Amino acid sequence: DGGITQSPKYLFRKEGQNVTLSCEQNLNHDAMYWYRQDPGQGLRLIYYSQIVNDFQKGDIAEGYSVSREKKESFPLTVTSAQKNPTAFYLCASRTDRDFYNEQFFGPGTRLTVL
Amino acid sequence: DQQVKQNSPSLSVQEGRISILNCDYTNSMFDYFLWYKKYPAEGPTFLISISSIKDKNEDGRFTVFLNKSAKHLSLHIVPSQPGDSAVYFCAASAWGYQKVTFGTGTKLQVIP
Repeated sequence: DGGITQSPKYLFRKEGQNVTLSCEQNLNHDAMYWYRQDPGQGLRLIYYSQIVNDFQKGDIAEGYSVSREKKESFPLTVTSAQKNPTAFYLCASRTDRDFYNEQFFGPGTRLTVL
Repeated sequence: DQQVKQNSPSLSVQEGRISILNCDYTNSMFDYFLWYKKYPAEGPTFLISISSIKDKNEDGRFTVFLNKSAKHLSLHIVPSQPGDSAVYFCAASAWGYQKVTFGTGTKLQVIP
């Protein structure tokens, strides 16, 4: 079964700690994305990557970092510089064959910083 | 700067009636539009899309209408069913542009 997996489903961290959220896809998609969802704010783009070893900042990249060492994997690190990290994080991927296609989303990770 | 706007945070509709969800956009470069459905604590799932060369696209109970001159699109669900209760996100993108911009969502409640 092809799809996107995110782990863990729930994550708790102490304030000041960095934390890495996992995202893996076996859809052979080139493009991958990280979004953050807060109540009433929709999905806001953190980072995206069109190809291995390359990524671009989205609209709210401050306090986050990513890597894209493999096509299948796009982990997101929430650093201690992120002022308000508690949120629902969503990873997505999309084929690069053309631009008229949809993104596929993972099930999300709920991060709570105590 | 909210380039994709869903001005109604919530909508309640009786089962069997039509649900109409609206979306406005400001960026005239957008030429591809999508609707996603999202249940709580889950990732969004793709519902239907439309490119700017069309003004209507239908898929079963779901129809999306695009009015390019007004920069407005709408999603019609007929007939509405209780299982349609979810948050619906409108999204927009442009050819050659990997970013996808989402609206803030409309929470639909279908009352049995």
